[in-house]
Amino acid sequence: GAGVSQSPSNKVTEKGKDVELRCDPISGHTALYWYRQSLGQGLEFLIYFQGNSAPDKSGLPSDRFSAERTGGSVSTLTIQRTQQEDSAVYLCASSGRLAGGRDTQYFGPGTRLTVL
Amino acid sequence: RKEVEQDPGPFNVPEGATVAFNCTYSNSASQSFFWYRQDCRKEPKLLMSVYSSGNEDGRFTAQLNRASQYISLLIRDSKLSDSATYLCVVNIKGGSYIPTFGRGTSLIVHP
Repeated sequence: GAGVSQSPSNKVTEKGKDVELRCDPISGHTALYWYRQSLGQGLEFLIYFQGNSAPDKSGLPSDRFSAERTGGSVSTLTIQRTQQEDSAVYLCASSGRLAGGRDTQYFGPGTRLTVL
Repeated sequence: RKEVEQDPGPFNVPEGATVAFNCTYSNSASQSFFWYRQDCRKEPKLLMSVYSSGNEDGRFTAQLNRASQYISLLIRDSKLSDSATYLCVVNIKGGSYIPTFGRGTSLIVHP
């Protein structure tokens, strides 16, 4: 079956421009997460969607970052007025709720964002 | 103190060696635990879940010590293909169900 897909795979943009990153989760998965990973660093949590609940935005680094999840499926992460420090790999993951909370996350291949 | 801590390594071992990594977590409400593997410039992939009683999958053994709040991963008979970064993941039961990742431990297996 299809895994998590993300687009674009690579994005190069100029400082100050807006970018949109897309994530298609595994069909039927209720939970969707966005992370970013800078070179040689760990995963930094950004935002979490679970079903129809209000998203947990506690990881968003600034108000330039926002995300939506339409129809409980596809999600878009938007970065406005990009800065060079936004350069990173943006990873999306989805999971289905299992008994006892033993969710397994499945990651997409990521979008490598470079801000010049 | 970080919520999930790992020794970044690198652990440099010869083929056939046994190597072990530890991961400590700070939140006693942590509910479930996983080890993920991440190859260079690739996304993380689940290696194995960690069960309270410990569990084994081939050459890999995972253990959980709730009293001391750490989990471990043991790799026996290391292969060159085991070279990767191993990420510890801790899920905390609470209002938001957000997996917390360690920064990873780098393993290099050499001939």
